[in-house]
Amino acid sequence: GAVVSQHPSWVICKSGTSVKIECRSLDFQATTMFWYRQFPKQSLMLMATSNEGSKATYEQGVEKDKFLINHASLTLSTLTVTSAHPEDSSFYICSARDFLAGVTDTQYFGPGTRLTVL
Amino acid sequence: SQQGEEDPQALSIQEGENATMNCSYKTSINNLQWYRQNSGRGLVHLILIRSNEREKHSGRLRVTLDTSKKSSSLLITASRAADTASYFCATGTSGSRLTFGEGTQLTVNP
Repeated sequence: GAVVSQHPSWVICKSGTSVKIECRSLDFQATTMFWYRQFPKQSLMLMATSNEGSKATYEQGVEKDKFLINHASLTLSTLTVTSAHPEDSSFYICSARDFLAGVTDTQYFGPGTRLTVL
Repeated sequence: SQQGEEDPQALSIQEGENATMNCSYKTSINNLQWYRQNSGRGLVHLILIRSNEREKHSGRLRVTLDTSKKSSSLLITASRAADTASYFCATGTSGSRLTFGEGTQLTVNP
């Protein structure tokens, strides 16, 4: 089946630093990837939709200059949390659609990245 | 904003019992999906039901969809301790965007 990986699985950083999270589709091509954020005991909130070769579409309330998304290839999207602060501590999850599967509504989710900002 | 609302928020049952979780939503949808999440892990896709379908089965899972009431239910039969997890419904609209419900924390006691 379709597999999505994320790296790193967890990261601890100091306030003010930037952190990059990678999302890769391992055995399929993904023209569209999605980035979600999940706080403890809460649901997933869509942050942005990442399209290969174009700018990401951000959800209302998500700062595009703080959460930089790059989708440079059909198998890789990156999320960079710039100047991270403790309130950015969260579980970040990406998902991807299989381009060659045609019209499909199934998204494949990565295992998530736990970000802790001290 | 979250569209899906799930109930119950938490459900605790004994192994072998059936577990039913409900999901309600507000707007028109293309499909509704159910996902499972173990603590601190990613999501696992369980089942997708399209807006023109009323019921779908997959192993011990049974999903129903009532578009007139804008609600769906997930039934897990003969539950096992390994079914312990959070279960989320997600509504799919145009562009494949998913809007997740608040989730139900299921605990299956051995």
